[in-house]
Amino acid sequence: TQTVSQSDAHVTVFEGDSVELRCNYSYGGSIYLSWYIQHHGRGLQFLLKYYSGNPVVQGVNGFEAEFSKSDSSFHLRKASVHWSDSAVYFCAVIIYGGSGNKLIFGTGTLLSVKP
Amino acid sequence: ETAVFQTPNYHVTQVGNEVSFNCKQTLGHDTMYWYKQDSKKLLKIMFSYNNKQLIVNETVPRRFSPQSSDKAHLNLRIKSVEPEDSAVYLCASSRDFYEQYFGPGTRLTVL
Repeated sequence: TQTVSQSDAHVTVFEGDSVELRCNYSYGGSIYLSWYIQHHGRGLQFLLKYYSGNPVVQGVNGFEAEFSKSDSSFHLRKASVHWSDSAVYFCAVIIYGGSGNKLIFGTGTLLSVKP
Repeated sequence: ETAVFQTPNYHVTQVGNEVSFNCKQTLGHDTMYWYKQDSKKLLKIMFSYNNKQLIVNETVPRRFSPQSSDKAHLNLRIKSVEPEDSAVYLCASSRDFYEQYFGPGTRLTVL
């Protein structure tokens, strides 16, 4: 069984700050991880994914994430946030099963960027 | 740019009524999904369809049923709504399952 957890429900930073949003997973086989962003009142938007290879993956709008097998983590980072980055961020893991693959989402982290 | 369309945006109804939500994608994807997002933003997959075949069916109540006419459309019907059905219902599609594209959601309020 693979699950994903996001320990921070809410993170607040100032515009121009760097930020790291944490995601930890429990390993149960082949790992596939991704991050999605959800702005208020809108659907989710894919940011980036990791399956194999370079553990640091680049996404849209300056986001990157680093996979760590030793820490069971896939944290999302951005060097300099903008007010428009305020949103809920979801980490997700794929569960492979006989009844079909499923994308399981973490509980989300609300990022608030202050001017 | 929106490529997964959902209607309606909002729907308010009373317990016991039937509701139906529509979803259309113009991305040419083979698989579509329905998710339920509750008031705490928790997301749970409900159904997915691949080429008109149901390939994932979570243990959702029987009053929920997906309906697909072709691979670009996946509607969701709730036969007799209950208060716990109040949520945002998100439709998504994907080509290879790994990257999913979401619609804006339909917010259901059951009085």
